[in-house]
Formats: sequence, structure tokens, C-alpha cells
Amino acid sequence: GAGVSQSPRYKVAKRGQDVALRCDPISGHVSLFWYQQALGQGPEFLTYFQNEAQLDKSGLPSDRFFAERPEGSVSTLKIQRTQQEDSAVYLCASSLGGSSNQPQHFGDGTRLSIL
Amino acid sequence: GENVEQHPSTLSVQEGDSAVIKCTYSDSASNYFPWYKQELGKGPQLIIDIRSNVGEKKDQRIAVTLNKTAKHFSLHITETQPEDSAVYFCAQWGSSGGSYIPTFGRGTSLIVHP
Repeated sequence: GAGVSQSPRYKVAKRGQDVALRCDPISGHVSLFWYQQALGQGPEFLTYFQNEAQLDKSGLPSDRFFAERPEGSVSTLKIQRTQQEDSAVYLCASSLGGSSNQPQHFGDGTRLSIL
Repeated sequence: GENVEQHPSTLSVQEGDSAVIKCTYSDSASNYFPWYKQELGKGPQLIIDIRSNVGEKKDQRIAVTLNKTAKHFSLHITETQPEDSAVYFCAQWGSSGGSYIPTFGRGTSLIVHP
């Protein structure tokens, strides 16, 4: 079966532009997580959804970051007015259950470069 | 947020040797401790995990041990092979404002020389 799919794989944008990153979780997975991974670092939690409900967004760095999962499956992470410090790999992960601390399946990420 | 310290940052071993990576954490309420392997250009892949009610778990050449009193957990890889070369991350799930979220270590680059 298909794993977690993220698109695009690479995105280059000029500072100040808006970008949208897409995540298709494994079918039937209730929980969906977004992470930011800087070069040489571990993933850092941004936000997570249980079905369509955004239960925690404490990791979003600023109000320029916005995530949604309107129908409880596909999710989009939007970054407005991008800055150079937004350059990173953005990872999406999904897990089957609705409770926390369940095994997560990661996508291969979107590498975002802000010029 | 909660802190996870991971050591060493780089580990170089000969094929067939064992490798041990250690993580320490601060949140005594942490209850789930997964380990991930990340290859270049790929997302992290779960290789083994342990919950707070268990002290050790093994899966073929890979094992994880958890010491809740000392708040540390370790990944053990025996009979290392060149294909084990990758970056390994530990993570711990701890409480944050009413929900449980993961905090990752900074990673260990494992190099297995043939």
C-alpha cells in the first residue's frame, strides 16, 4: 500500500512569497503531524491533527504558519510572506490511532529553499 | 519544550562491531520512546520503540533499553553492516499543555566501515 506522500519534493521561493505544502497520509490514519527539520538537526514538532481537528499548534514558529486538514485526510501547511529562516525540510507523519504516542509513518518531506 | 540529549553525534565502527547510542530526557511523565533511522533524502523510518512500562525490547540485531529512574534510553545495534550507515534519532513523547507531543534528539550519524 502507499505510504505518506508529500508534494512538492522541492520548492524554491523568493522571500516574501507564500507557499503551500501538501501531505497525503496513509489512508485511514486518524492522526497527522507536521515537523520542521533544519539541516543537521532532528525534526521539530509544528502541529498535529486528529481527523479534521487541529489539537495542538504550539510548535508553529509564527502566525505566518497555518495548517489545515478540512476533510480529515489531506493536509496543507501554508507559509505566508516567507523568510530565509523558513528554509528547511518539512516532514509530515501519520499514525493509525487517535491517541498520542502511536507509531508514526513519515513522508520523505518537502525541501523548502527561500532565496 | 522538553529536552532530549543524544550522544554521540557521530559514531564510526567497523563492520561486525556493536553500536550504542544514548538519549537522556527530562520529563518524568514521558511514556513512549521511539527510535528512527533516516537515510539521505528520505523521511525518518521507525526501527524500534519502547513504552514506559517495559525495560528492554529486542528485534533481531536491534535492541532498546529504558531506565526510567535515570531518565535515559539507549539503542543497541549488534553485528553492524554497511547498510546500517545512516542518521539515527531518538524521540520521547512528553506532555505539553495538555497533549502529548514528541521531542527529537539531534541525531547520531552512524558510519559502518566494511
